Amino acid sequence: NAGVMQNPRHLVRRRGQEARLRCSPVKGHSHVYWYRQLPEEGLKFMVYLQKENIIDESGMPKERFSAEFPKEGPSILRIQQVVRGDSAAYFCASSPLGTGATYEQYFGPGTRLTVT
Amino acid sequence: AQSVTQLDSHVSVSEGTPVLLRCNYSSSYSPSLFWYVQHPNKGLQLLLKYTSAATLVKGINGFEAEFKKSETSFHLTKPSAHMSDAAEYFCVVYTGNQFYFGTGTSLTVIP
Repeated sequence: NAGVMQNPRHLVRRRGQEARLRCSPVKGHSHVYWYRQLPEEGLKFMVYLQKENIIDESGMPKERFSAEFPKEGPSILRIQQVVRGDSAAYFCASSPLGTGATYEQYFGPGTRLTVT
Repeated sequence: AQSVTQLDSHVSVSEGTPVLLRCNYSSSYSPSLFWYVQHPNKGLQLLLKYTSAATLVKGINGFEAEFKKSETSFHLTKPSAHMSDAAEYFCVVYTGNQFYFGTGTSLTVIP
């Protein structure tokens, strides 16, 4: 009974490098959400994807950040040219359907990104 | 505008005593409300949710919460704290097709 898997759990990057965060949703779930948690803050919504579609990216920074959820394989959150301010925990959640009020989101353990 | 306010960033209780974690929300629409718990280095786990059914919601591990529309509150309670309840708790509002998270309340349980 695999839940949401995220890897790596910890990622260290130097400023200017690229970070790739992976999320495998619960089997059978076709909706994925990405959140960022800065120190001492709650989670902030970043992007909502279905297979091969970005549904809502209103929480994504306009530059350097991108996300995808291909037909096969995990969802990827990509951060190009990382800066110190990108250091945070990034959580992925999945749900079987997209109407969030009814369907619980299942969260992964998060990826903790540290930019040095 | 939509927002969630968790009134206490830290709560400390003795084992066996009641727990109260406070949450107020603002929403232009009828919201759905959730409480999640996060143990160290783990993902968030759903404790309970309110989706316009009964205003008193029972969750896992003995937790419950009451939706009070007149007070725009959704406080989380438990009659008797257990050491394993020590964690971070997040109040979440779903409204306008988005989830909004509170900043969290860290619960410490003293033996």
